[in-house]
Amino acid sequence: DTGVSQDPRHKITKRGQNVTFRCDPISEHNRLYWYRQTLGQGPEFLTYFQNEAQLEKSRLLSDRFSAERPKGSFSTLEIQRTEQGDSAMYLCASRVGPKGPYNEQFFGPGTRLTVL
Amino acid sequence: QKEVEQDPGPLSVPEGAIVSLNCTYSNSAFQYFMWYRQYSRKGPELLMYTYSSGNKEDGRFTAQVDKSSKYISLFIRDSQPSDSATYLCAMSNTGKLIFGQGTTLQVKP
Repeated sequence: DTGVSQDPRHKITKRGQNVTFRCDPISEHNRLYWYRQTLGQGPEFLTYFQNEAQLEKSRLLSDRFSAERPKGSFSTLEIQRTEQGDSAMYLCASRVGPKGPYNEQFFGPGTRLTVL
Repeated sequence: QKEVEQDPGPLSVPEGAIVSLNCTYSNSAFQYFMWYRQYSRKGPELLMYTYSSGNKEDGRFTAQVDKSSKYISLFIRDSQPSDSATYLCAMSNTGKLIFGQGTTLQVKP
């Protein structure tokens, strides 16, 4: 499968625990995005990387959230001291960029987080 | 007020009907307009994108953008039960996508 992959697909954790999600983008896609989607809402932008550089972070990304893309390939999103409000689907997307007027963002299947 | 507004529905139509989905937006800087389809517990997949104003057709799907009114539409002709999904409009000017809430569509056989 050459699409965007995310691991794990589901994560159940207790409030206060730390969790880490992984995203493997499509090979040669140098831009990688993280979004969060709560039930009944559209995805909301969290952050994005151009290669290994994190170029933008949303105000939604509190101090408890950290994202990395150390070698410009896969990325991890860590949430520390999880809260019930963190329960959501975390989506990763990748695209070729920035060359060209438009390049499609391809989404992974998401990681569904439930905080008890 | 959200940057992108979309009626969440749900919208229920009989098979074969023409479906109209719409979004309004407030940020005049948006230049790229997309429609994504999302099945339950899956990631969104791109249906169509349009640059600036105009129409674009792809099979049974037509996307329209009216930048003067800050209004975009997606039309689905001859709707099929397999079209049942959540449809998300999305917009961009810098690369990151700003999504609407999504409209849940059910096409009944």
